[in-house]
Amino acid sequence: NAGVTQTPKFQVLKTGQSMTLQCAQDMNHEYMSWYRQDPGMGLRLIHYSVGAGITDQGEVPNGYNVSRSTTEDFPLRLLSAAPSQTSVYFCASSTGQGSWKLFFGSGTQLSVL
Amino acid sequence: AQSVTQLGSHVSVSEGALVLLRCNYSSSVPPYLFWYVQYPNQGLQLLLKYTSAATLVKGINGFEAEFKKSETSFHLTKPSAHMSDAAEYFCAVSPYNTDKLIFGTGTRLQVFP
Repeated sequence: NAGVTQTPKFQVLKTGQSMTLQCAQDMNHEYMSWYRQDPGMGLRLIHYSVGAGITDQGEVPNGYNVSRSTTEDFPLRLLSAAPSQTSVYFCASSTGQGSWKLFFGSGTQLSVL
Repeated sequence: AQSVTQLGSHVSVSEGALVLLRCNYSSSVPPYLFWYVQYPNQGLQLLLKYTSAATLVKGINGFEAEFKKSETSFHLTKPSAHMSDAAEYFCAVSPYNTDKLIFGTGTRLQVFP
């Protein structure tokens, strides 16, 4: 029972570097999303996807790109990392269509120096 | 736009005492409301959800929440706290028939022996 798998668990970047956070789910879920969690700010939605080939912006999309070429994978790309992107990132998935039960990965802790 | 406000970033109770975590919502249409729990170093898990059926919703681990339209509230309660309830709790709201959840800032619950 893999569920939602995020890699890496920890990452340190220098300002200006780019990288991709990986997210994969094996539950055949249509809906996938990325959140960032910051102290005192809860979870904020970055991008989401309601199915392969369809993505949309959330509350805080600037500085991030996503694509959804398959049902299983939903990578998050940081184009040019900034210290403000230091955060814990969570990927989540659900069956979609108003099921509302999100399954979360275990998170990626990212530090940008 | 829909949003939720969680009153109190930290709540401390003694083991066996009542747990009350507060959440107020803002929505121009009947909301769908949720409580999620995050244990240390883990992703979030769904505790319970309100989707316009019964106003008193029972969830896992003995938690329940009551939807009160007149007070725009959806407070989470548990009659008797257990040490294992120590975690961070997030209230969330969703636009109708989507899985796009907007989370509050979270309340950290501490339980003392």
